[in-house]
Amino acid sequence: AQRVTQPEKLLSVFKGAPVELKCNYSYSGSPELFWYVQYSRQRLQLLLRHISRESIKGFTADLNKGETSFHLKKPFAQEEDSAMYYCALSAPNTGNQFYFGTGTSLTVIP
Amino acid sequence: KAGVTQTPRYLIKTRGQQVTLSCSPISGHRSVSWYQQTPGQGLQFLFEYFSETQRNKGNFPGRFSGRQFSNSRSEMNVSTLELGDSALYLCASSPDNMREQFFGPGTRLTVL
Repeated sequence: AQRVTQPEKLLSVFKGAPVELKCNYSYSGSPELFWYVQYSRQRLQLLLRHISRESIKGFTADLNKGETSFHLKKPFAQEEDSAMYYCALSAPNTGNQFYFGTGTSLTVIP
Repeated sequence: KAGVTQTPRYLIKTRGQQVTLSCSPISGHRSVSWYQQTPGQGLQFLFEYFSETQRNKGNFPGRFSGRQFSNSRSEMNVSTLELGDSALYLCASSPDNMREQFFGPGTRLTVL
């Protein structure tokens, strides 16, 4: 069963515009949700996790259990935000298996 | 601290052969996870090792196995290679659980 869905493979926004990368999950229980990012020619790295409720590089993500979503948002996109973004879920009920979405490639147009 | 290292970076094998990939975690990290990344399936969790024990396992056949040594270094083995095993294999380490994972550069395996 698909645990994490990122409906957009590609997303382009203009610099300064708001950006939202969508993530929906299917899991009956209390998952932990994460966003990972991979910049060009760099390694995959953790951007933020819902449990921390923090803002990293201007990005925030709120876990909406009713809509089973964990969308990533930033009010004003910057060129350096161009990267591949992956939503991920840790499933405590299945031995903490880790599920990644297929990723969204974000391009910020100058 | 040095980051996660993986060796080799590139590997070419033929069907039926077996392969062993190596991962050295960040110093002090005890958890090592392995992932398979393909264009069609994306990133898929293989397994996680902690203190030399497999703690979590994904849904891969038994041809995929791993182990972890006392210094936390980990190896992944794939036996009887199939064409579909061609992928980027990523290793990630974390201090004690998988909440914050630090990824290596990956090993690109091509099966001919």
